[in-house]
Amino acid sequence: GDSVTQMEGPVTLSEEAFLTINCTYTATGYPSLFWYVQYPGEGLQLLLKATKADDKGSNKGFEATYRKETTSFHLEKGSVQVSDSAVYFCALSTPNTGNQFYFGTGTSLTVIP
Amino acid sequence: DTAVSQTPKYLVTQMGNDKSIKCEQNLGHDTMYWYKQDSKKFLKIMFSYNNKELIINETVPNRFSPKSPDKAHLNLHINSLELGDSAVYFCASSQGLTQDTQYFGPGTRLTVL
Repeated sequence: GDSVTQMEGPVTLSEEAFLTINCTYTATGYPSLFWYVQYPGEGLQLLLKATKADDKGSNKGFEATYRKETTSFHLEKGSVQVSDSAVYFCALSTPNTGNQFYFGTGTSLTVIP
Repeated sequence: DTAVSQTPKYLVTQMGNDKSIKCEQNLGHDTMYWYKQDSKKFLKIMFSYNNKELIINETVPNRFSPKSPDKAHLNLHINSLELGDSAVYFCASSQGLTQDTQYFGPGTRLTVL
């Protein structure tokens, strides 16, 4: 079945460090891929998305490229800030499933000054 | 101008009680969802409705019953609450059923004592 495997956390980085959070997927059909962010005590917010192979989603300095050949959608940011501390979720949605989302287990990121 | 709102934000109750959580979206979306997030942050879809019609009905106890009075509202009623129902419940909405971005509410933290 459709699923997402996400890098386990927690991840702790110093401010201005480079961030990578790995995400790979298994899906039938052609999924759309998403990264959501959850700040403490809040709901999930869309961070970025990509709907077809080789698309790059980007937002707030974060980027992820839809790689069909490696079934991956890794999240990257060149220089993290303390305000990026949150839980990050990778997710996919495949056609004809009623827009059912499959989420990864979440990766907790803490950025220290 | 909250897009997806939920009430209450916190709910503390005794085992065996019946409770409801309300959700409203003002985005004009046709599809709404309920998710359960456990203590390890794992997100699981419970239900989805499209134009008041049940679309996704995952394996959840039949003590959980969603109700959609109109397409802007999706409420969750829980009978005979159990300790294991303690979690954060998120409502979400999307425009349609085809790999559309889902927009999440702030969550309702349910604690069953």
